[in-house]
Amino acid sequence: DAGVIQSPRHEVTEMGQEVTLRCKPISGHDYLFWYRQTMMRGLELLIYFNNNVPIDDSGMPEDRFSAKMPNASFSTLKIQPSEPRDSAVYFCASSPVGGPYEQYFGPGTRLTVT
Amino acid sequence: GENVEQHPSTLSVQEGDSAVIKCTYSDSASNYFPWYKQELGKRPQLIIDIRSNVGEKKDQRIAVTLNKTAKHFSLHITETQPEDSAVYFCAASSTGGFKTIFGAGTRLFVKA
Repeated sequence: DAGVIQSPRHEVTEMGQEVTLRCKPISGHDYLFWYRQTMMRGLELLIYFNNNVPIDDSGMPEDRFSAKMPNASFSTLKIQPSEPRDSAVYFCASSPVGGPYEQYFGPGTRLTVT
Repeated sequence: GENVEQHPSTLSVQEGDSAVIKCTYSDSASNYFPWYKQELGKRPQLIIDIRSNVGEKKDQRIAVTLNKTAKHFSLHITETQPEDSAVYFCAASSTGGFKTIFGAGTRLFVKA
């Protein structure tokens, strides 16, 4: 298995633009998590899904952020419009059913909003 | 809400010495406590975990202890090596929702 796949690995965009981050979880994992990591705030859970259904989105900072999981092998995190304070590394992670168990993190997307 | 506090934020040790990182959690329903290591520019990766029915777990130079009564858990690294230098995160989650709360992280420096 290739592990959790995220794209793009780096994204540089201008303030006000829409940004879409993508994630493919490990096959067979029923849980998918989106995190944001910054020096100031550490590793923050934004939202997580179980069987493609959002379970807890209380970490989503504001309405500019949205996440979807249309099927078991794909999820997106969208920021519209983007702001400089959204600059961070965004990680996607997946976990198998029956846990809680280890979360397998993707390589992350480094987002820079200028 | 749920919270995980982690101390210290930075830890510097001499190669061969031991390192201890401590965490406390607030949600009494938490029953799974993983520790992740994140090297510079890399993703967090699990190094050891413990469940609430166990008080201690060891894997070579790494051990974790859990005190459910006090809501404390700790990571112990013995015989530290330069390659142990990284940021270490503790976390807590529960079976009820799988929501994982991470500590703020400890940056460990191992001096050769």
